[in-house]
Amino acid sequence: EDQVTQSPEALRLQEGESSSLNCSYTVSGLRGLFWYRQDPGKGPEFLFTLYSAGEEKEKERLKATLTKKESFLHITAPKPEDSATYLCAVQVRDNFNKFYFGSGTKLNVKP
Amino acid sequence: EPEVTQTPSHQVTQMGQEVILRCVPISNHLYFYWYRQILGQKVEFLVSFYNNEISEKSEIFDDQFSVERPDGSNFTLKIRSTKLEDSAMYFCASRQGSYNSPLHFGNGTRLTVT
Repeated sequence: EDQVTQSPEALRLQEGESSSLNCSYTVSGLRGLFWYRQDPGKGPEFLFTLYSAGEEKEKERLKATLTKKESFLHITAPKPEDSATYLCAVQVRDNFNKFYFGSGTKLNVKP
Repeated sequence: EPEVTQTPSHQVTQMGQEVILRCVPISNHLYFYWYRQILGQKVEFLVSFYNNEISEKSEIFDDQFSVERPDGSNFTLKIRSTKLEDSAMYFCASRQGSYNSPLHFGNGTRLTVT
């Protein structure tokens, strides 16, 4: 069964304290892995797509990486405005129409 | 930047009533979706729609649910007889035609069934 697991469930950081969020997946074949940011009461906002192991994408303080079993979202020197829930979603090779979401990591950055 | 818009932002209804949630996907997108998120839980797939028909639906999407694209811009989700457990945030999403294109979400409709 295709599964996506995110850890930790919640993460509290001090401003400037770098860390990483994990998304591990077990799927029959990966077509793409997507990272989203979700603010309270809002829809998920697209951040990155990763397609193959070894790929990296960066945007401001965020960097996403991908291996054959997991993806990391690295947050460098976070600011309070980075506080949000970060979701990953996996698209499988044999059904490009299906996206499996993880439960998310709720990030809280304190000033 | 083009975005997915959803109306209303909040809908309160009584159990047994019908509700229609509305969405305007991004104009050049070809695939349309409804997801829901119960408070504190995962984003769950309901249904996907392509070329004016349902391409896939989940177990949640039973006979009480239906979707429609009545014109070239709107995409609606109807719940015929709402239950308490239908209370959730409902998100519309759309994406372009390429296989790897990401989902773009609206800001959701919060449905409260009393």
